Amino acid sequence: DTAVSQTPKYLVTQMGNDKSIKCEQNLGHDTMYWYKQDSKKFLKIMFSYNNKELIINETVPNRFSPKSPDKAHLNLHINSLELGDSAVYFCASSPGTGSEAFFGQGTRLTVV
Amino acid sequence: AQSVTQPDIHITVSEGASLELRCNYSYGATPYLFWYVQSPGQGLQLLLKYFSGDTLVQGIKGFEAEFKRSQSSFNLRKPSVHWSDAAEYFCAVSPSGGSYIPTFGRGTSLIVHP
Repeated sequence: DTAVSQTPKYLVTQMGNDKSIKCEQNLGHDTMYWYKQDSKKFLKIMFSYNNKELIINETVPNRFSPKSPDKAHLNLHINSLELGDSAVYFCASSPGTGSEAFFGQGTRLTVV
Repeated sequence: AQSVTQPDIHITVSEGASLELRCNYSYGATPYLFWYVQSPGQGLQLLLKYFSGDTLVQGIKGFEAEFKRSQSSFNLRKPSVHWSDAAEYFCAVSPSGGSYIPTFGRGTSLIVHP
C-alpha cells in the first residue's frame, strides 16, 4: 500500500482554470503538508495541517487553499491558475513534532 | 527562523569513489536534522536523521552523516558511490520544539560517472 498518495501525477491546464490535487495518507499521521518544488528543485512549504487545523501558511497567494475533509486527506485547490504556478507539488505527512516527513510522488502541474 | 545551506549545487564523482555532501544550518538551538534523497520523477525518501545522542548517524543505502555542533554542520558521506546513487540530495532542519515544520536546503545534484 502506498503510504502517501497524490492524484493526479501530471496535470496540464490553461491559465485561468481552477484545479485540485488530492492527497491521502494511510499512516495515521496527525500532520500533513503541501510543498512546492520549483524548476530549480527548491522546496518551499506552502501549508501545514495538524489535526485538521491550519497551523502555518507561508505567504502563499490566497488562490491556493488547502482543504482537509478528515485527518487522512489534505487536498489542494488552486483558483485562477497562472503560468508561475507551474511546478511540482508534493504532499507529505508526519506523525508529529521531531519526526521525519513522508512524501508522496508529486504532481507535476503545467499551466499553459 | 531556521535555515539550511547546501553550498554545492552539483557534485560529480566516479563510481566507487567516496562522497561527502555538505550541509550547514542556522538555528538558535540544536535542531532535528535530516537528509533526503530524490530520484528523478520521484518523491523524497528519508536517508537518515539526527535528533540527539551519537553525532554519527547511520542511514539506509550505506549513507552516514555526522553532526558537528561547533560547525553547525551535518554532512552526508558514503565510502563508495554506486551509479544508482545519482539523484538529488536534500538536507532539512526542523525546530526541536514546537510545531514541526521542516525547512529544506536547495539540494545537491549528484552525478556519478562510470
